This record gives sequence, structure tokens and C-alpha cells, in this order.
Amino acid sequence: TQLLEQSPQFLSIQEGENLTVYCNSSSVFSSLQWYRQEPGEGPVLLVTVVTGGEVKKLKRLTFQFGDARKDSSLHITAAQPGDTGLYLCAGPNSNNQGGKLIFGQGTELSVKP
Amino acid sequence: EAQVTQNPRYLITVTGKKLTVTCSQNMNHEYMSWYRQDPGLGLRQIYYSMNVEVTDKGDVPEGYKVSRKEKRNFPLILESPSPNQTSLYFCASTPWGANVLTFGAGSRLTVL
Repeated sequence: TQLLEQSPQFLSIQEGENLTVYCNSSSVFSSLQWYRQEPGEGPVLLVTVVTGGEVKKLKRLTFQFGDARKDSSLHITAAQPGDTGLYLCAGPNSNNQGGKLIFGQGTELSVKP
Repeated sequence: EAQVTQNPRYLITVTGKKLTVTCSQNMNHEYMSWYRQDPGLGLRQIYYSMNVEVTDKGDVPEGYKVSRKEKRNFPLILESPSPNQTSLYFCASTPWGANVLTFGAGSRLTVL
């Protein structure tokens, strides 16, 4: 069974601090995605990483895919209150059932002004 | 605007009273899916559909039914809701094989 473990589950920081969220698995994934979910909304895709070792940047957010394609990280530089939300990593099921994704439990981030 | 629309957004009901949560997408996606989200458990797939008249169970299908009579619609049916089905439900869709989901805004269901 493919599982994705996220850590930490909760993170409360002050505006301006840096943080890293981890997404780990014992299974190899063909790709991993990161979503952000704001209160009262559905998850929205931030990025997809496909190649082992790949690094993608989205403004102050940096995403990395592990060399072995078993893990990923999300680093936020100088966090702002607008970054507050639930961050989810997800990867496609190995049976490639069309659009089935396996999700991590999520990391609840709170950035205080 | 490309979107997935769920209704109702909020519902409080009582045990045993049948209810349907509707889901509609305007992107002509083949694949549609229902998830429930519970604290500490993340998103768990209930049912999915790869196309019209093709549905299958996800990881937590007990107590739920679905149908896919039209490509754009994928309703979730709770024939006899129970309190353990109190949750936040999301419908999502994607083109076949794309693996990138577009989610609806969610339906918060409380069963008393």
C-alpha cells in the first residue's frame, strides 16, 4: 500500500520566518504534487514535480523532489499571513487508475502577523 | 470559468434521512471522484468514475452510492446517513490520465 507521510502536521510561526514541510514515502512515485487548501475552499494545485532531484520555485515557495522519487519538500521563505492554510502532498496511485491520487495527511500552517 | 460545483455547501441532517450531494463539472473531464476529509486522516477516496456509466469503489465506500449518467454530473448518495459520515466532502475531476485534480469548494455534512 502506498502511503505519504507529511511532517509536521501543525506549524505555527511568525511572519517573516522560514519553514519546511516534508512529504515522505517508502514507495517510488512517478510524480508528486503539492496542493494548498484555504478555509472553506477545495485544494488547489501549486506544483507538480516529475524528475528525481527536480527543484521548482513559485515566488517564495521552493519545491524539491527527492533523487529517488520517494520524498518531496516544500520550503517557504519569509512566510506571510497569506500563506496560512493546509498544505497537502499527493501522488498518483501505482496502478495508474486514471486520476486516483494518494494524499498525505496534510500540514496545517498558521502564519501570525 | 472552468470549475467543479458542489451542492449543498452545508447540510445538517438526521440519522437515516436519505440525502444527495450533487457535483457538476464544466471541463468535459472523464474522471470524477469523491473524497472525504477528516482531521488527521487527510483526503480519502470514496468512489470514482472513469467515464459515463463506469464507477468503482475507492478506499472508504461503505454507506455511499454514486451514479454517472452524464459526463458532467457525479452525485454522491447517502441512503441512510449515520453520524460517522459527518465530514467534509469534496468532488474532484481530471482529464483521463492527467492525475491533476480540480476540486469543488466542499460540502460540510453533519449527521445528528
